[in-house]
Amino acid sequence: GNSVTQMEGPVTLSEEAFLTINCTYTATGYPSLFWYVQYPGEGLQLLLKATKADDKGSNKGFEATYRKETTSFHLEKGSVQVSDSAVYFCALSGAQGGSEKLVFGKGTKLTVNP
Amino acid sequence: NAGVMQNPRHLVRRRGQEARLRCSPMKGHSHVYWYRQLPEEGLKFMVYLQKENIIDESGMPKERFSAEFPKEGPSILRIQQVVRGDSAAYFCASSPPRNTEAFFGQGTRLTVV
Repeated sequence: GNSVTQMEGPVTLSEEAFLTINCTYTATGYPSLFWYVQYPGEGLQLLLKATKADDKGSNKGFEATYRKETTSFHLEKGSVQVSDSAVYFCALSGAQGGSEKLVFGKGTKLTVNP
Repeated sequence: NAGVMQNPRHLVRRRGQEARLRCSPMKGHSHVYWYRQLPEEGLKFMVYLQKENIIDESGMPKERFSAEFPKEGPSILRIQQVVRGDSAAYFCASSPPRNTEAFFGQGTRLTVV
């Protein structure tokens, strides 16, 4: 079945450092890929998504590119801020275009220090 | 347009009691999903409902758990005879009819004592 494996945390960075959180997936067909962010005590917010191979999702300085050849969707940001401290989840959905049930990775906790 | 509303935010139940978790989807959204997040884990899919229909319940435990999404009113996730292992955060997400992005509520954190 479908599965998502993402980099184990926690990750601790200094402000303005470069961030990479690795995510790889196993899926049949052509899934859509997502990154969600969860701030303490809150629900999940969609950070970015990509629906087909070679698409790049981007939002708030974060980027991820859908790589079918390596089955990856790594999250990157060039310069993190303290306010980026949160848990980040990589996820996929089975239907093209998204929003059938989501399969999540275990999450990566990011702490950014001033 | 209010977001996905879940209540209560926190729920404490003694072992053997029933827990009822409510989810009001965003206006115009007829699809509801329930997920469970155990401590230090990612979210696991439980059930997918449309108005008055269960579409996919492959993630629901076979016993004690049930879900509904009536024609009127919120979606309800019901857990009967709760046990300590049911302690988790339960998240609801909703989406409009054509399967676009799902929006999450803030979750209900269930503690079984």
